[in-house]
Amino acid sequence: EVVMTQSPATLSVSPGERATLSCRASQSVSSRLAWYQQKPGQAPSLLIYDASTRATGIPARFSGSGSGTEFTLTISSLQSEDFAIYYCQQYNNWPRTFGQGTKVEV
Amino acid sequence: QVHLVQSGAEVKKPGSSVKVSCKVFGGTFSSNDITWVRQAPGQGLEWMGGIIPAYRSTSHAQKFQGRITITADGSTSTAYMELRSLRSDDTAVYYCARGGATVTTAWFHWGQGTLVIVSS
Repeated sequence: EVVMTQSPATLSVSPGERATLSCRASQSVSSRLAWYQQKPGQAPSLLIYDASTRATGIPARFSGSGSGTEFTLTISSLQSEDFAIYYCQQYNNWPRTFGQGTKVEV
Repeated sequence: QVHLVQSGAEVKKPGSSVKVSCKVFGGTFSSNDITWVRQAPGQGLEWMGGIIPAYRSTSHAQKFQGRITITADGSTSTAYMELRSLRSDDTAVYYCARGGATVTTAWFHWGQGTLVIVSS
């Protein structure tokens, strides 16, 4: 199976700062990569799909890039509501697999 | 507007089965991928399997082979996930999610989650 590795495990940032999250696939997943945000006690929600397309209603401060095996989620200016756990997930290969998550904290 | 509503929390004994439902409101039910993802307490997300109702085709992770059945009822726009031979490490929140009209899709809409506790 494709192993998704996210780094760092925890990212400590201040509101207004830029956050860069990385996701690496153990083999190419083309651009079939999604990013999800999960807040405590809530279901995940889709931020980015096809590596760089923002889902409906997602603010422009969220951007995704990459293809193949290296992907990045950038939050240009962190807002208070952005402190959460972020997961990458590939949907190019079976089984579908998630990264272990990056916690973005103050 | 698409909305997924799951059945309520369950407490089960080891060795028993659980069947979680996921009703889809809005959008087209049969042509879109419905998947199941679980999250053990304090852990990450784990894909379990999925179905595209119109094709009656399912897929699932190898670790659940022989224990999982995913079905869909187009007449009620409801998908189901049954997990058998429950163990304590099946204790988790189970989510359904809806993707696009293709098997290679991200999941755009999520249910609220169903807590399943397996305990003697």
